[in-house]
Amino acid sequence: QITLKESGPTLVKPTQTLTLTCTFSGFSLTTSGVGVGWIRQPPGKALEWLALINWDDDKRYRPSLKSRLTITKDTSRNQVVLTMTNMDPVDTATYYCAHTSSGSGWYLLYYWGQGTLVTVSS
Amino acid sequence: EIVLTQSPATLSLSPGERATLSCRASQSVSSSLAWYQQKPGQAPRLLIYDASNRATGIPARFSGSGSGTDFTLTISSLEPEDFAVYYCQHRSSWPPTFGPGTKVDIK
Repeated sequence: QITLKESGPTLVKPTQTLTLTCTFSGFSLTTSGVGVGWIRQPPGKALEWLALINWDDDKRYRPSLKSRLTITKDTSRNQVVLTMTNMDPVDTATYYCAHTSSGSGWYLLYYWGQGTLVTVSS
Repeated sequence: EIVLTQSPATLSLSPGERATLSCRASQSVSSSLAWYQQKPGQAPRLLIYDASNRATGIPARFSGSGSGTDFTLTISSLEPEDFAVYYCQHRSSWPPTFGPGTKVDIK
């Protein structure tokens, strides 16, 4: 079955760079039509798509955050890495990674990680 | 970026009652709209995709309708496990966006 799990620091200081890793199983990012996205949710607030990487290395970024985000994949390790530069307290959120595919519908999120809470504070 | 608005923000109902949640898009998303349920401390769960299709394993009491800019999620008879926050999300273009959510709580 498909599983995903996020890992990374729980606390970062303002201006630092956040690096999050999504480790997945049950699918391969070398399979045509498969993608992994990152979505975040500030405490008590709504969800927000951040970035997406596809099997063919096509990458999409939320326009308002594009200058701060980088998404990469390591297919040999079944991992997707998201980096976000110049962190600010408003970036405090639970960060999720999730699976999407053209088979079930691009940008539909059937499978999610458990999420990891990242707090930005000095 | 397409903006989704949801109403009401909170819906207070009793088990067994019918819940009707609305989602409106700032421009047409055709039928490319999904609904998710989220409980505290959990990741969202996909309920409905492409406006009216139930995801695998979703009970028949959940139904969706609409197209273009106006969509509705209906829960025909609330079960205790249905009290949660519900989000709509479009997938018609990048970036996909979510609405602010409707919380269904126990009256």
